Amino acid sequence: AQRVTQPEKLLSVFKGAPVELKCNYSYSGSPELFWYVQYSRQRLQLLLRHISRESIKGFTADLNKGETSFHLKKPFAQEEDSAMYYCAGIAGFQKLVFGTGTRLLVSP
Amino acid sequence: DAGVTQSPTHLIKTRGQHVTLRCSPISGHKSVSWYQQVLGQGPQFIFQYYEKEERGRGNFPDRFSARQFPNYSSELNVNALLLGDSALYLCASSLEGQGETQYFGPGTRLLVL
Repeated sequence: AQRVTQPEKLLSVFKGAPVELKCNYSYSGSPELFWYVQYSRQRLQLLLRHISRESIKGFTADLNKGETSFHLKKPFAQEEDSAMYYCAGIAGFQKLVFGTGTRLLVSP
Repeated sequence: DAGVTQSPTHLIKTRGQHVTLRCSPISGHKSVSWYQQVLGQGPQFIFQYYEKEERGRGNFPDRFSARQFPNYSSELNVNALLLGDSALYLCASSLEGQGETQYFGPGTRLLVL
């Protein structure tokens, strides 16, 4: 069965520190992978997807097929990055599967 | 474009009642998906519709049903409500539902007493 795992419920860092939010996936075939973010009192929104290879708000994520990982990284965290982050995957017509989410807290 | 809209924003029901939640997709999007998000969990897939046809269904009981209208808006119906149905119900739209980006609405928060 398709599965997306985010091992950390909470990640707390200081402003300016590097951030890595972990995501591992289990899929048959080649899934599309996404990071969604939910800021306080806002709707869930797309941060980035692996196929576009973009850097959004300083965040990047590299698909590692050997380790079946899609970790989200940012070299210098900002207070406004504090939010709930969800890793998600989808294969073809199949359902979008979310991880349980990681709350990132960036302290001044 | 206002993005994906959902109504109502909040709802309180009692056990055994039924509920209808509504969703309007982004203009031009033909696929709508529904998700249930309970506290502390990621969204769980309930249904996907494309061109008024059910394309996928998650692991939810038959009390949950949905439909999509010719204007691509959608309704999610839940019958015989249980306390465990209390959750945030999210609707997401996408162009064709084939692995492209899904855009989420603000959700409807349902409380079952």
